[in-house]
Amino acid sequence: DAGVIQSPRHEVTEMGQEVTLRCKPISGHNSLFWYRQTMMRGLELLIYFNNNVPIDDSGMPEDRFSAKMPNASFSTLKIQPSEPRDSAVYFCASKRGQENTEAFFGQGTRLTVV
Amino acid sequence: GENVEQHPSTLSVQEGDSAVIKCTYSDSASNYFPWYKQELGKGPQLIIDIRSNVGEKKDQRIAVTLNKTAKHFSLHITETQPEDSAVYFCADSPGYALNFGKGTSLLVTP
Repeated sequence: DAGVIQSPRHEVTEMGQEVTLRCKPISGHNSLFWYRQTMMRGLELLIYFNNNVPIDDSGMPEDRFSAKMPNASFSTLKIQPSEPRDSAVYFCASKRGQENTEAFFGQGTRLTVV
Repeated sequence: GENVEQHPSTLSVQEGDSAVIKCTYSDSASNYFPWYKQELGKGPQLIIDIRSNVGEKKDQRIAVTLNKTAKHFSLHITETQPEDSAVYFCADSPGYALNFGKGTSLLVTP
């Protein structure tokens, strides 16, 4: 298995532009997470999907952030409009089942908003 | 989620020495405690985990201990090697998601 695949690996964009991050979870995993990593705040959970349905989006910072999971093999995280404070590494993770199992992380997308 | 406190934030040891990282949690509902290792430019990767019905677990040079009464758990790495240098994260899991500590940057010097 190729693991969790994220694209792009790096993204540099200008403030105000729309940014879309993509994730392909491991086949057979029915839970998917988006995390954001910064030096100040560490790893923060943004949103959790189970069986393609958003279960908890309380970590999404504001309305500029949105996430979708149209099918079991694809998810997107969109920021519109982007701001410099959104600069971070965004990770997608997936796992089988809901509780007490290993979550597998992708390589992350490093986002820089200038 | 509720906080997971992790200490120290940085740790430097000589090759061959032991390293210990400690975490405390607050959510009594937590019953799964994984440890992740993150190397530069990569995503976190699970190295060991422990569930609340177990007090200690070992895997070669790595061990984790759990004290549910005191709500703390620790990672022990023995005979450290330069390739152990990375950032280590503890986490708890009161439900479906992981709440991570802020991480410990471990440096093993030859």
